[in-house]
Formats: sequence, C-alpha cells, structure tokens
Amino acid sequence: QSALTQPRSVSGSPGQSVTISCTGTSSDVGSYNYVSWYQQHPGRAPKLLIYDVSKRPSGVPDRFSGSKSGNTASLTISGLQAEDEADYYCCSYAGSYTYVFGTGTKVTVL
Amino acid sequence: QVQLVQSGAEVKKPGASVKLSCKASGYSFTSYYICWVRQAPGQGLEWMGVIVPSAGSTSYAQNFRGRVTMTRDTSTSTVYMELSGLTSEDTAVYYCARNSDSGYDFWGQGTLVTVSS
Repeated sequence: QSALTQPRSVSGSPGQSVTISCTGTSSDVGSYNYVSWYQQHPGRAPKLLIYDVSKRPSGVPDRFSGSKSGNTASLTISGLQAEDEADYYCCSYAGSYTYVFGTGTKVTVL
Repeated sequence: QVQLVQSGAEVKKPGASVKLSCKASGYSFTSYYICWVRQAPGQGLEWMGVIVPSAGSTSYAQNFRGRVTMTRDTSTSTVYMELSGLTSEDTAVYYCARNSDSGYDFWGQGTLVTVSS
C-alpha cells in the first residue's frame, strides 16, 4: 500500500484559509467515506481533527472542515491561527481491515 | 479518563526483536480496537496494524506481515506489539491508538525504539 499523497507544505497568514489535499486511489479514498485527519505538533502524539471525511469530534474548532471528491480528500483550515502551525496527516481505510496514512503536510503560519 | 500508557524507550541491535506494550484505562478495553502507528525521525506516520482486544484477531499492513505480531492480555487491559528482524530503518517512535467509530481518538505517548549496532 502506498502512502496517500499530500503537499509537503502550505502556508498562510493569520485569518486566512488554507486547504490541504490528500490524494489516494479508487482502492482507498475513492472507495470509502472513512477518511480522517490528524494534527501533530513537534514532539507530540497526533490529535484527531476530522473523521468520516467531514465530521468533527467534540472540542475541535469549526475552523477545521473536511471534504472529499473522487480519490481526493481535503482539509480546510479557516481563520488560520498561530497555534495551527503543525503537521497534518490524512488517513483512509484501504479495505481488508487496513488503513493508510498520507505523506504529511507542514502548515506554516506566516 | 481514557489513557493509553506505553512502555519505555528501547535500544536494540540489528536482527533483534522488540516487544512494546500499551496499557489502556478509563474505558471498556474490549470495546475498541487498538492500532499501532510508527514515525521514523523526521518522517510521516505509518500504519502498522490493528488488534481486536475482544477476540485477539489482527490485521497487519502488508509492509510488516511476517515481522509483526500483535497480542493482548485482557486481564491487564494491555496490548503488545512485537517486531522482529530489526534494522536501522525500524528506528522510530511507535504509537498505539484507540480506534473508535470516530477514528483514532486517543493516542499513547509513544515509545522510541533505536536500532543500532
């Protein structure tokens, strides 16, 4: 299983919106609505932001939103804040009780 | 509160095996799957596999099949991950995470495994 493809980095100024893409195949992202997104600050464990493509766990700000079209899922951060500077990973169910993560995207707040 | 507490850092020689533990508390241990994810230094997350604590059944990523074994002890609410045939490429932080219907909602603190001769 190959990792899902994410841009290496994205950046934006405070208050702006950024979108991170996550491209898979018809065997993973394209076949299942089980895409989740995780935020990871340096030296910390990942934190769940989005599950089932677009659902937010309680406690996650509504600035974070998810969507999917075909084989590509996306995470949008609206109203970018300094604390959003972190690494972001998508994850998709890939069938046969297996999952695959994305390559990861570093978000920089300018 | 839900907690996953992992065992301490390990240093192993190439060719050796390592067995890590992940002790769950604060919820019904047999009600949620547990997965293992690793992260090499400066690299991304890599999904290794999952164990169903109630049944002990497992599913492993293709990259690790034949080298990884996940087990559980329901009496102590602990899952274990053993990785054999270690090489320098297995140097990484290994995380366990609870797999709920909402994704991987709780994570352990991570265990650093260093493989060096």
